[in-house]
Amino acid sequence: DSGVTQTPKHLITATGQRVTLRCSPRSGDLSVYWYQQSLDQGLQFLIQYYNGEERAKGNILERFSAQQFPDLHSELNLSSLELGDSALYFCASSPGAQGGETQYFGPGTRLLVL
Amino acid sequence: QKEVEQDPGPLSVPEGAIVSLNCTYSNSAFQYFMWYRQYSRKGPELLMYTYSSGNKEDGRFTAQVDKSSKYISLFIRDSQPSDSATYLCAMSGDYKLSFGAGTTVTVRA
Repeated sequence: DSGVTQTPKHLITATGQRVTLRCSPRSGDLSVYWYQQSLDQGLQFLIQYYNGEERAKGNILERFSAQQFPDLHSELNLSSLELGDSALYFCASSPGAQGGETQYFGPGTRLLVL
Repeated sequence: QKEVEQDPGPLSVPEGAIVSLNCTYSNSAFQYFMWYRQYSRKGPELLMYTYSSGNKEDGRFTAQVDKSSKYISLFIRDSQPSDSATYLCAMSGDYKLSFGAGTTVTVRA
């Protein structure tokens, strides 16, 4: 158990809908990272928040947004969902702001868009 | 060209064999090198972390980094069926981690 929690574990929704994924980092970690893992694309970095502020951005679509709250939990919002958004979404956390730190991954949210 | 290249395999070995995994990369700014293990699409877990060139050993696992060749390796000695998983290399400069595609390994009993 990494100490990172994610909810929900599974999510099934329809195209065009909007969903919110939630992540709670390990105790004491200030950075939260979001990743998307699909069968054909591997693990893709989406975005990093550090202590409430956006720190780094990767291959995140404009239909996706994220935020980190004062209690350090984070939410990833996915809107206007398409079939291709079906994937595993992982959250990771680390103590500081540097991406070179060890990142601890949560169990993931499996999203299926029908 | 991807920043990090990793052969997806699959790789199948008999129990007790040495598993050899590797990744190449193109970004000279990478300083931190990691190997993660992922079971059945669960969250990746960190196996090895190295900062500089050379070897690092932890039990049955040895990580090697050759910055001059931009090449990293992971060796698993005395492999067990419980080592069957996908192994992802990851590396970083000063902010984000870049992952390889992952190599799926099966250790046959």
